Amino acid sequence: QLVLTQSPSASASLGASVKLTCTLSSGHSDYAITWHQQQPEKGPRYLMKLYSDGRHIKGDGIPDRFSGSSSSSGAERYLTISSLQSEDEADYYCQTWGAGIHVFGSGTKVTVL
Amino acid sequence: QVQLVESGGGVVQPGRSLRLACAASGFSFSGSAMHWVRQAPGRGLEWVAVISHDGSNKYSADSVKGRFTISRDNPKNTLYLQMSSLRAEDTAVYYCARASGPSVVDAFDIWGQGSMVTVSS
Repeated sequence: QLVLTQSPSASASLGASVKLTCTLSSGHSDYAITWHQQQPEKGPRYLMKLYSDGRHIKGDGIPDRFSGSSSSSGAERYLTISSLQSEDEADYYCQTWGAGIHVFGSGTKVTVL
Repeated sequence: QVQLVESGGGVVQPGRSLRLACAASGFSFSGSAMHWVRQAPGRGLEWVAVISHDGSNKYSADSVKGRFTISRDNPKNTLYLQMSSLRAEDTAVYYCARASGPSVVDAFDIWGQGSMVTVSS
């Protein structure tokens, strides 16, 4: 079964970095994923598409502070936000596709301290 | 600019029907697959359905299969979601989203602002 696992929350200080993890279920480590940001009371925004080899394609206007990477196995996918700003406080979702369905992770809430 | 505007949301009684629309502009609508995604109050994102660029392929989540139908009118640049036999658990903000390509396997790269559907007696 295709499942994406995310930690519920993460926090870091203003100006610091935070690294979010999205883990693909067994047997799906070669799937591409996408990352999306949802600020409070707003609709989601596409951040990037991330492949198992770490290549990523960012959406238009997404700052360089947002980057993606992958573990050596490909099962873990990361979203790193550098130089944290107050507007980065949001929920972050990973997403993928397989066997006729699109799947979202449960989301990680990022708090900027 | 690229824009997706949902409409048609509101309050509806359980068991009744409702149709959402999503007006697209600023891109080649007929060249993109399109999705519906929903978010119940205080919950995460849940994918609902996808339709290919020409309407020939459709998939939907098990939670709505047999009750919700996705469709599109390419000359009108409009996506639809026909919802029937509505339940309280269908209460959510419904977002339309553009896929990055023409196929149902392509993920979302542009999102609308959402339309609230409340199912309540």
